Amino acid sequence: EADIYQTPRYLVIGTGKKITLECSQTMGHDKMYWYQQDPGMELHLIHYSYGVNSTEKGDLSSESTVSRIRTEHFPLTLESARPSHTSQYLCASALAGGLETQYFGPGTRLLVL
Amino acid sequence: GDSVTQMEGPVTLSEEAFLTINCTYTATGYPSLFWYVQYPGEGLQLLLKATKADDKGSNKGFEATYRKETTSFHLEKGSVQVSDSAVYFCALTANTGNQFYFGTGTSLTVIP
Repeated sequence: EADIYQTPRYLVIGTGKKITLECSQTMGHDKMYWYQQDPGMELHLIHYSYGVNSTEKGDLSSESTVSRIRTEHFPLTLESARPSHTSQYLCASALAGGLETQYFGPGTRLLVL
Repeated sequence: GDSVTQMEGPVTLSEEAFLTINCTYTATGYPSLFWYVQYPGEGLQLLLKATKADDKGSNKGFEATYRKETTSFHLEKGSVQVSDSAVYFCALTANTGNQFYFGTGTSLTVIP
């Protein structure tokens, strides 16, 4: 069973607020990912990290930022939330090396009013 | 580039019916292939995987065989249950291992 956690699970917030979505894993995985999931289900990679102090932007342009100061922690921050940021955000992690399984957290459902 | 093409849904089946969800892929090298399942309000869970040609992944009555000659990894189950209602994602990671590529997801509803 995967040990990857996301908080909060649900968040309703007003436009212009700064928010941080938390993601932590206890499996010692080097690789971590953030996906944005449409209401229509499709997953879009927005950020990933191969290890501490490594972060890269994904395929979907995003106004969010990430940091990776510790192996187990990969928070995602929105400096100024907008209604267009309303979505489900999924965090995942995997071992280093190729061909490894990704393990997902339960997701954060964000609603920006 | 690498990609996954997945059968579009939604799919609605009666309980005990046979399920097939088609998945084909394009990849350089020799990818690993995965099926994930997402229940309402939750993240994705690994359902099964296969790491080389002709491997069969299986779990909870679901099966998929890695077919290199047809670049396919179709998901099958002989008799679905109401509890199988979920969204199913096909995915691959190539041997660079840096990114996953997901299909668009197929929603399955099983009615009693």
